Parts: sequence; structure tokens; C-alpha cells
Amino acid sequence: ILNVEQSPQSLHVQEGDSTNFTCSFPSSNFYALHWYRWETAKSPEALFVMTLNGDEKKKGRISATLNTKEGYSYLYIKGSQPEDSATYLCASRNTGGFKTIFGAGTRLFVKA
Amino acid sequence: DSGVTQTPKHLITATGQRVTLRCSPRSGDLSVYWYQQSLDQGLQFLIHYYNGEERAKGNILERFSAQQFPDLHSELNLSSLELGDSALYFCASSVAGGNYGYTFGSGTRLTVV
Repeated sequence: ILNVEQSPQSLHVQEGDSTNFTCSFPSSNFYALHWYRWETAKSPEALFVMTLNGDEKKKGRISATLNTKEGYSYLYIKGSQPEDSATYLCASRNTGGFKTIFGAGTRLFVKA
Repeated sequence: DSGVTQTPKHLITATGQRVTLRCSPRSGDLSVYWYQQSLDQGLQFLIHYYNGEERAKGNILERFSAQQFPDLHSELNLSSLELGDSALYFCASSVAGGNYGYTFGSGTRLTVV
């Protein structure tokens, strides 16, 4: 069974700060790593899906990197804005099955 | 609107009862996933169907069952309900392999009283 860990559990930053969170996952039988943004009272929305070691993806001020050999991914937010306040989930899928396991998320609060 | 439709949005029922949650995937998606989010818990994987066939099971209780029909909609059946089954149940869909991520529905909030 996959064990996906995210840190920190929550994070409070000021508007304009840049921040990053970590997702760690089992590196054996790795298939894909997903990042989602989950706003309160809404559904999770996909940000990135990464599959290759060294992958880097970017969408606006948000970017992510992937290290499949050591089993971690970083999500970066540059110049945080209040509208970035949300829970950021990562999820890992292995090649041994068809399960995608989610971490508990990092709850980001951006204060204006 | 994400394209994934879940009904009902809210459900209140008594312990011991049985309920059915319904999910219609986004057009073109063959995979359907069910997740449970209990209070203060993350998304717990329940089950995955692809084109009508079960592909993977997570921590799904024996009291729970699911299926995916030929029109690709899926139903999650929860029986002998207990207070602890109160949760938000999400359905998500994807193209095969999920390489573009999952599209989530808005969830069904189940309250067992």
C-alpha cells in the first residue's frame, strides 16, 4: 500500500511571499505523481501530472518538480496571492496496480 | 461544472439503512474512481473501475460495493450504515491511465444519524 506524505500540514504566508511544499512517496514501482488544488467547498482540481524523473511543470506562478529516484516532489508558488489559499494535494500511483493514493494535503493560508 | 456529475449532493439517513450514490463521468472518460473523505481525514481511495471492470480496490468495507454500467456511469452502494460512514464521497473520472489528472465531481455529503 502506498504511503504518501505531505509537509507541512499547514502554512501561513503573507501576500507576495514565495513558498513551497513537499510530497514524498514510495519510489519503487512509480508510475505518476499528481498535484491538485482544493478550495474550500469545491472539488479538487488537477494542477500537474508528472511521470518522468526530473520533470518540471509550470502553470502561471505555480511550478512543480519531481524526483522519482528518491521519491519526492516539490510544489512552488511564487508571489503568493490571497486567492492561492487552498489545500494542495499530491497523489501517487504505482505500476503495480491502478490505485492513486492521496496525501493528506498542505493547507495554505495567504494573508493580504 | 467539471463535467463529472454526482447525485445526490446531500443525503441524510438512519443507521442500518442502505443508500446508493451515483456518478456520471466526464464525456469520453472510461475510468471512474471513488474516494471517501471523513472528518479531518484526507481522501481515502475506495475503488476504481475502467470501462465496466473493477481495476483496483482500496480500503473499501465489505458493506460497500460499486459497479460501473455500460453507459459508464457508476454507483456506490453503502449498506448497514453506521455513524462512522458519515463522510463526503467523491467520484472522479479520467481518460485511461489518468495522465491528465482526475476530474472530480462535487461530492455527495452523507450524514448517518
